[in-house]
Amino acid sequence: EAQVTQNPRYLITVTGKKLTVTCSQNMNHEYMSWYRQDPGLGLRQIYYSMNVEVTDKGDVPEGYKVSRKEKRNFPLILESPSPNQTSLYFCASSSGSGSIYEQYFGPGTRLTVT
Amino acid sequence: GQNIDQPTEMTATEGAIVQINCTYQTSGFNGLFWYQQHAGEAPTFLSYNVLDGLEEKGRFSSFLSRSKGYSYLLLKELQMKDSASYLCALRGAAGNKLTFGGGTRVLVKP
Repeated sequence: EAQVTQNPRYLITVTGKKLTVTCSQNMNHEYMSWYRQDPGLGLRQIYYSMNVEVTDKGDVPEGYKVSRKEKRNFPLILESPSPNQTSLYFCASSSGSGSIYEQYFGPGTRLTVT
Repeated sequence: GQNIDQPTEMTATEGAIVQINCTYQTSGFNGLFWYQQHAGEAPTFLSYNVLDGLEEKGRFSSFLSRSKGYSYLLLKELQMKDSASYLCALRGAAGNKLTFGGGTRVLVKP
């Protein structure tokens, strides 16, 4: 089954404790992206990747890191989480030879930073 | 930069038609998406417009006017399961960044 998976689905952590949210897709998609969704602010793009070893900042990259060492995986790293990073996070992927066409979203990761 | 406006909420009756408008200002344009998102779930793709005109997909249609910076999503024969948020998103000039509007929550009543 074609899908985007994220882990964990729910996470409660404390300020400053490094964490990684994993994202994996099995569709051989070149483009992958991370978004956060907050009430009243909608979906905002954090980082995206056009292909392996190619990443770029979205609209709200501060406090986040990403890597793309393999085509299927695109982890999101919070080196020192803060309460303002409490949010619902979505990973997405799409094909189209490096361009964005129909994006497939993962199920979401609800993160709480206390 | 990009600025996208959508109404926050709309209510309609089962079986009726609802039109969700999306207006935008952008320095570069490479296409406009519509996504559906049920509460607590991930967004799912509905449509993609890059040229002016109407794209029809079953009960859903999407329209784009690039000169007016305007799009709409038309939902016909509304069903209760259509109660969801509808997100308008712009693909930027470089083709790689995607900017979403705040979404329109549609409530379908019996």
